[in-house]
Amino acid sequence: NAGVTQTPKFRVLKTGQSMTLLCAQDMNHEYMYWYRQDPGMGLRLIHYSVGEGTTAKGEVPDGYNVSRLKKQNFLLGLESAAPSQTSVYFCASNNEVDSPLHFGNGTRLTVT
Amino acid sequence: GENVEQHPSTLSVQEGDSAVIKCTYSDSASNYFPWYKQELGKRPQLIIDIRSNVGEKKDQRIAVTLNKTAKHFSLHITETQPEDSAVYFCAALWLFNDYKLSFGAGTTVTVRA
Repeated sequence: NAGVTQTPKFRVLKTGQSMTLLCAQDMNHEYMYWYRQDPGMGLRLIHYSVGEGTTAKGEVPDGYNVSRLKKQNFLLGLESAAPSQTSVYFCASNNEVDSPLHFGNGTRLTVT
Repeated sequence: GENVEQHPSTLSVQEGDSAVIKCTYSDSASNYFPWYKQELGKRPQLIIDIRSNVGEKKDQRIAVTLNKTAKHFSLHITETQPEDSAVYFCAALWLFNDYKLSFGAGTTVTVRA
């Protein structure tokens, strides 16, 4: 039981490049989330999903897209990376909205 | 959406002393208030949570209190130890618009030996 697995762990992009962050969970959780963490700003929700095939916008969705084609996977895409997207990205999942979030280990992204 | 304010942003305590972190929230409909601990370079992990139908919950050296009238909740750590050094995040669950957790900005706690 690996829990929530994020890949890659680190990435450096040039402005304008694209990439996809992958999140996989093996707990059969319905809900999955993508957060970004920046110093002094806590965890801000980018996008989330309440089940396979569904996605919804969070607090800071601009510049990102997501897909949940399979229940266990939640992909976060950056179509044209900007320096403002330099951050640590965390994926999380839970089985009920008011149950503990299980976080992945994070992806540190730097956009130059 | 829900607005969660967390204070202080940094807290330094002597080992063995208590630490208190306070959060306020804006949406009176919130009913679930978790606290997460994040050690340096690690993922956040839940340490305790409380629901709106109780005023206090305790788990060994940590406790959380909730004042729904004043819309604030607090984390109390007693007999602090070096391993309590971490960033702590409070959060509130916003009942409307698909039940999204809103996090506070975090408190960096340093326990001095």
